[in-house]
This record gives sequence, C-alpha cells and structure tokens, in this order.
Amino acid sequence: DQQVKQNSPSLSVQEGRISILNCDYTNSMFDYFLWYKKYPAEGPTFLISISSIKDKNEDGRFTVFLNKSAKHLSLHIVPSQPGDSAVYFCAASWGFGNEKLTFGTGTRLTIIP
Amino acid sequence: GAVVSQHPSWVICKSGTSVKIECRSLDFQATTMFWYRQFPKQSLMLMATSNEGSKATHEQGVEKDKFLINHASLTLSTLTVTSAHPEDSSFYICSARGTGGHNEQFFGPGTRLTVL
Repeated sequence: DQQVKQNSPSLSVQEGRISILNCDYTNSMFDYFLWYKKYPAEGPTFLISISSIKDKNEDGRFTVFLNKSAKHLSLHIVPSQPGDSAVYFCAASWGFGNEKLTFGTGTRLTIIP
Repeated sequence: GAVVSQHPSWVICKSGTSVKIECRSLDFQATTMFWYRQFPKQSLMLMATSNEGSKATHEQGVEKDKFLINHASLTLSTLTVTSAHPEDSSFYICSARGTGGHNEQFFGPGTRLTVL
C-alpha cells in the first residue's frame, strides 16, 4: 500500500525554466511533508518541508505547495539549473514526535542545458 | 553541520555470513537513528528505528533477529545483517534526526551490500 505516490518517474526540463514535481498521498493523518534530493549511491539530502497548517513554503529557488483537500503537494524549482538533476523524493509523517517518514517512489529530474 | 557517515560504503560477502554497517553522526548527538533499505528504482523503505540505550523498533515484516540493531551511544548505531542471503542485497541508508526542524532527518551516504 503506497501511501505516498509520485506518479511521474522522470521529468526533463530546460535549464532556466521551472521544474514542477508532484506528490500525492492517501493518508489524511499526514501533517508534515518533506522533499529530499538524492544523487546515485548517496543518501538523500533535505531540501524543504511544509507543515499542514501552511499551504506554501519558500526557500530560495525552491517552493513547496500543499493542497490538503486534494492530498497533493508539489515542489517548484525556478530557475532550474544543471546541478538540480537528481532523484527527488517526497516524504510524509504525522503526529508530533512521530519521526517515521513514509517516502514516495521518487522522480528523476533531468535539466537539459 | 549535521553530517552523517556510514561505513563501509560498499561490501560484498558470501551467502551465510554476517555483515555489520556503522552509522555515525559526526557533529551532533542523535538519540534516534533510522535504517532504510532501497531496492533499485524503488522508494526508501524504513526498516527500523534505533533509540540510544533501548531496543530498536522494527517495522512490520522486518525480522529483528536477522537485522540486528545496536545504538550504543549518541553518535553511533550499527546494523548487522545476519546470515545474509542474495535477496538481502540492497542499498542500506541510515539517518539521524537533527535538532533543527520537526522531523528533519539527515541521511548517511548509504552502504551497497552485495551477497553472493
């Protein structure tokens, strides 16, 4: 039962344009969401997070949007840079003090120079 | 800051042997560490939660006697894959919860285990 889904396994975007990565979840108990970036043979690196009390969080080129009614979140990267090419995972957790993360299946982002 | 290391980065072993993987938080103390496994082109699956000074909590379907976890100090957790078999071949990643944001976890670089 995949509670966190990333339906696009891959995405290619021209350098300088906006990259939009999507994530859907089924568990309405989730109240905290995170995005991680992962290079091959390395551990994930934390990018940005959002609490369910917000619908948007911004950090530099990265913005995460949360639509709770649709159980959907998205990560926007603008402008996209070649170094952004990686696999992006969204993750979710619920309950303060509950640290377990449920990961999506990942989306491979390729930035075309 | 918030650096997590893993050792070894890769290991090849014979079927039936045991393999120990270390996870260290280098510049912070981590009362809780997590162990994940990732199969090719799949998501990270949480195997167990490791708490310093107490027994680890294994996820459903993960055999605690096969995947032994020890969290003896605030900076070190170890995962031992006992009597490894080829189906245990995978990429094992640990993480440690930092003191920053809620549920922000810092991940190690991972260990590639190949069982022949």
